[in-house]
Order: sequence, then C-alpha cells, then structure tokens
Amino acid sequence: SQQGEEDPQALSIQEGENATMNCSYKTSINNLQWYRQNSGRGLVHLILIRSNEREKHSGRLRVTLDTSKKSSSLLITASRAADTASYFCATGQGGSEKLVFGKGTKLTVNP
Amino acid sequence: DAGVIQSPRHEVTEMGQEVTLRCKPISGHNSLFWYRQTMMRGLELLIYFNNNVPIDDSGMPEDRFSAKMPNASFSTLKIQPSEPRDSAVYFCASSLTGGEDSPLHFGNGTRLTVT
Repeated sequence: SQQGEEDPQALSIQEGENATMNCSYKTSINNLQWYRQNSGRGLVHLILIRSNEREKHSGRLRVTLDTSKKSSSLLITASRAADTASYFCATGQGGSEKLVFGKGTKLTVNP
Repeated sequence: DAGVIQSPRHEVTEMGQEVTLRCKPISGHNSLFWYRQTMMRGLELLIYFNNNVPIDDSGMPEDRFSAKMPNASFSTLKIQPSEPRDSAVYFCASSLTGGEDSPLHFGNGTRLTVT
C-alpha cells in the first residue's frame, strides 16, 4: 500500500528557480527518505530526516518534516537542468526494513 | 564500488515463457530488495532478504513469481509463466544494515516486456 504521496505530480520551472515538492504520509514514522530517479535509471538516495528533526540541509537541498501534519517537503534551490528527474519520498512500515515509496513528482527544469 | 548490478537491462519475451532477472548487490550489504515499477502502480516492493533469508514476500503478486538468494552476492527473480501484465521495470536494491534508516542503493533495473 502507498504510504507516501508526493505533490505535485509534475512540476516545470526555469533554471535558477527554486523547486518545492511535498510528501504526505499516513502512519507514524521513525524517519523519511527522499530519492531521485533520472530517466531510465535506478533511484538514488538524497537525504534522510529523522522524526525528531525538523529541517535538514544537503548542498542545494533542504528537507523539512512536520510530524504533526504527517508531511515533508523537499526544496531544491537555484535549480539546474541536471536536476530534471523524478523525486520520491519513502517511509518505513512499522520499523521494518520495508520502504514504501510514493508515486513521485516529475520535475522538469528548463534551460 | 561497482554499485548494484542487474542483468539483463532489457528483456523482451513472449507470453508463457520463463523469465529470470539477476542481481548482484553491493559487497558487504546485508539486505536485498526487489521492486517493480509501473506507471499505474508506481514502485511496489515484491520481496526482501536479510542475510540471504527471505523475510517478507507478501508483495509477490502470484505464485508465478519466485525469488532466491543462494549467497550474499547473487539473487534472482523468476517469473514462470510470464504474462503481458508483468511488463514493468524491475529494480533490485541493497542496503548495508537493513532497517528503515539504511539508505537503499538501486541498480538500473531490467525493463521487461511480455508480448
């Protein structure tokens, strides 16, 4: 079953703009992960945020987590054409190794 | 580090044929996962192994699907007989320690087309 749901499904922006993607989930979590998938490739892990963290940064990425709203956001600042990809959030189920992914946000950055 | 290696990259087969997908996880990783990705259903976890032992196969859609991990460096996903609705991209992923806080490392997938 789908745990995380990303929003929007698709996003198109110009190079240099910021891109914000959101993820909502249903049950309590210990942490939440974000992944990127380039066309025709496997998913690549970007960042993990724990339930006791509210914000985390990695380079041009900023992730926030609001456990009271069961939501997370991924912000990519100063986007580049190379950021064009699909972005997925993933959460565990009941502390097990099972990671459940949302359907992703397809980001297009136009040069 | 060569990453997770999957073969073949593409597989086209006729309905009713047996299909075997292969995966070599990252050396030293203890957990291995098989996912299937389609436009309609997104990424679905089929089965995962911990220390070569299948832990949860509740995502395997039917008895036509089976997976094995005979050793720490090799896993297979078999579909027999294959059907057109099995067409999808199948990903293998491995993680160092297992657990929901252990990032997954994905292979580049096998695109399966069943005609």
